[in-house]
Amino acid sequence: KNEVEQSPQNLTAQEGEFITINCSYSVGISALHWLQQHPGGGIVSLFMLSSGKKKHGRLIATINIQEKHSSLHITASHPRDSAVYICAVGTSGSRLTFGEGTQLTVNP
Amino acid sequence: DAGITQSPRHKVTETGTPVTLRCHQTENHRYMYWYRQDPGHGLRLIHYSYGVKDTDKGEVSDGYSVSRSKTEDFLLTLESATSSQTSVYFCASSDSFEEKLFFGSGTQLSVL
Repeated sequence: KNEVEQSPQNLTAQEGEFITINCSYSVGISALHWLQQHPGGGIVSLFMLSSGKKKHGRLIATINIQEKHSSLHITASHPRDSAVYICAVGTSGSRLTFGEGTQLTVNP
Repeated sequence: DAGITQSPRHKVTETGTPVTLRCHQTENHRYMYWYRQDPGHGLRLIHYSYGVKDTDKGEVSDGYSVSRSKTEDFLLTLESATSSQTSVYFCASSDSFEEKLFFGSGTQLSVL
């Protein structure tokens, strides 16, 4: 069983909708990463967080350490947000474990 | 974004041949990583480096070796390529395990 579980696996939304992608993990962590993989394959780091909430533009990431859960929210979604969103967790001094990703499609 | 490049972007090779993939970063990051990405799996770590000549195995290291002779370069070698090594390979770098990762554009490798 993967230590990192993402839901949903696939998500289709209409432009303008509010989107939530979830990530649950089973071990204590020192940091959680949210990554975006574009249709062309490139991977970009969106957020790294260990507590609370971070916001960048229309993207918001939250983490609840006690519940071992993180969410990535996209407000006012746009077709250019269509991508695979990947959650990864790391324990102190150790390598990252990645989720399988959530495929997001935003239709105009 | 950090300057991190991979070469080649695409490669087709035959079973049994050695293959070397190159990763080059210009950010002076201490850590460098090689991952593979396959359908049904998340990114999986092959090998990583925490300094020049300092490397360690990841979770799927069998059949792969790495070398890091300079801070900016991290090479991944498939000693004798097999069809199970057909995959997309990503290089990444960071200042530490707990820091933001910067990825290369990936290498699509097909072993026939």
